[in-house]
This record gives sequence, structure tokens and C-alpha cells, in this order.
Amino acid sequence: DTGVSQNPRHKITKRGQNVTFRCDPISEHNRLYWYRQTLGQGPEFLTYFQNEAQLEKSRLLSDRFSAERPKGSFSTLEIQRTEQGDSAMYLCASIPEVGSEQYFGPGTRLTVT
Amino acid sequence: AQSVTQLDSQVPVFEEAPVELRCNYSSSVSVYLFWYVQYPNQGLQLLLKYLSGSTLVKGINGFEAEFNKSQTSFHLRKPSVHISDTAEYFCAVSETGGYQKVTFGTGTKLQVIP
Repeated sequence: DTGVSQNPRHKITKRGQNVTFRCDPISEHNRLYWYRQTLGQGPEFLTYFQNEAQLEKSRLLSDRFSAERPKGSFSTLEIQRTEQGDSAMYLCASIPEVGSEQYFGPGTRLTVT
Repeated sequence: AQSVTQLDSQVPVFEEAPVELRCNYSSSVSVYLFWYVQYPNQGLQLLLKYLSGSTLVKGINGFEAEFNKSQTSFHLRKPSVHISDTAEYFCAVSETGGYQKVTFGTGTKLQVIP
């Protein structure tokens, strides 16, 4: 069990560019979550996958954001036409079953210049 | 819907002194409760959790918390803090059913003073 991994750890991009982040959950964890954490705030829920199905999306997830989880394994989060307000830490978490705590990855810190 | 309130944004405390970080929550359904710790530029590490059973929960690094349903609180305590406890602490809740997405408080920065 190597834990939840996220890549890249840091990403600096210019406004208007597209970025994609990857999350590899703990193997056999069928539930996967994305959160966004801005400076001085707690993480906020973005979206939830059960296996490959995206079952819930927050209103924070504008149409510039898209997430996928093909084959129910790793997940990607893409942000198109990045804006400075997208600068944040993007966290991924997974759980093996109902009634368990979420296991968080180290996060991807995005800076939009 | 659920919400979490952490009343103290920063808590300074001297090394070896006791500390309590306060957390209150609001929810119309039954919840699971968590405390996570975050060190600079790192992800979240679980300190302890309340899922069911005893309302006094012990976690890692000598921390404990008590679930008080009538006061909707889940305060975190440690009898004697160390410099290494300097970090940001987040209280969090999730519904026991549904998708179990987690709602976090705004965090409390614990600063341990030598």
C-alpha cells in the first residue's frame, strides 16, 4: 500500500493555458474525491467518483473544469483556460468502503501567473 | 447540508503546555467526525476519527477528541504539546450515508512556542 499519489506536485502556468493533474488512489479503493484548497482555507469538495462513474460535482466546478476516471483506477482533473483565481492546492482522496476515513494525496499546487 | 466551525484561527501555546482546539458542527443527519493535520506544503494526515462507539477517541501523536452530540462539538486536546506539533489542524465531517464527501472547517494554526 503506497498511498495516494498525485502528479505533478507543483505546476506553474500562464493564464489561459490548460493544465491536467493526475491522481492515483490506493489500489482497490473504489471511491475517489477531488478537493480544492485555497490559501488560508480548508479544502472544498469538487467532485466524486465511484469506480468510473462521476456521481457528484460541486457548483465550484465550472465548465472549464473536467474530471475523468477511466476504468475506475487513476483520475485526471483538467482545467481549461486557467485564470488566476484557479491558483490553489488540488487534493485527491480515496476510500475503500463506506464508513472509512479519506486517505489524502500530497496535492498538486497550481500557480497561475 | 453540513458545516464546520473552528472558532480559533490561530492558537499559540508554550511547549509542554496543554492545548484544546475547538470544533463545532452542524448537520441534519448523523455524521462521522475527523481531525486532520497539515504541515506546510503537504497533504492532509488523519489524526483521529469518530465513526461510532465510544465518544472519547484517541489518535496519533498523543491527541484525543471527545464527541459531544448535544453540543455538536468535537474538540481536539493534547495534554502536553511539542514543537513538532506546530501545524494547521482541520476539523471535518461527513455524512454517514450518501457519497460521504467531507466538509472541512477553515483550520486552526497551532503555534508551539519554545
